Amino acid sequence: GAGVSQSPRYKVAKRGQDVALRCDPISGHVSLFWYQQALGQGPEFLTYFQNEAQLDKSGLPSDRFFAERPEGSVSTLKIQRTQQEDSAVYLCASRAGRSGNTIYFGEGSWLTVV
Amino acid sequence: GDSVTQMEGPVTLSEEAFLTINCTYTATGYPSLFWYVQYPGEGLQLLLKATKADDKGSNKGFEATYRKETTSFHLEKGSVQVSDSAVYFCVRADAGKSTFGDGTTLTVKP
Repeated sequence: GAGVSQSPRYKVAKRGQDVALRCDPISGHVSLFWYQQALGQGPEFLTYFQNEAQLDKSGLPSDRFFAERPEGSVSTLKIQRTQQEDSAVYLCASRAGRSGNTIYFGEGSWLTVV
Repeated sequence: GDSVTQMEGPVTLSEEAFLTINCTYTATGYPSLFWYVQYPGEGLQLLLKATKADDKGSNKGFEATYRKETTSFHLEKGSVQVSDSAVYFCVRADAGKSTFGDGTTLTVKP
């Protein structure tokens, strides 16, 4: 498809389990972003890639969160030893280049930690 | 740090009413400004944008003007429709990350 694709769409994890969330950005988009959106709130920035380089990871809430984009295309957000407070929608977005360009969002991966 | 402050909701209007949703941003750097909308059950999508001071973004009858002197990017529509019911997010985009406001939920009643 032409849009940003995320998988899985829904994930239920037991507390302490590791999860991996995948993002396929729009082909050719240099910039890739991960956001966390809690219920009733706006998306919170997690991390930003330009090609394969992770230029900003200041939003990652703890060292249990890790993101990679090894070939500058697909990205994976990994959460280790999940906690209940990790329950949220994780949004991936991509952008063609400069800050004035439109950011295109995927539909999100809904994570529930029980 | 960079931030966006958005008018708190929820906002409830009757069809054909005038809409304003206020948005202000911190006066650092030269961000681009966006309004994104999230319709019920759907993902975030771009509504309009402005990349420099005095630019006006417009789409689907919505407008917003990038005002550097007041660090604002208020969203307006002259006559809302039931189909405009959604959550609206004001966003500032810098070279790297983008910062979202908390969102304003708009409900339009017939």
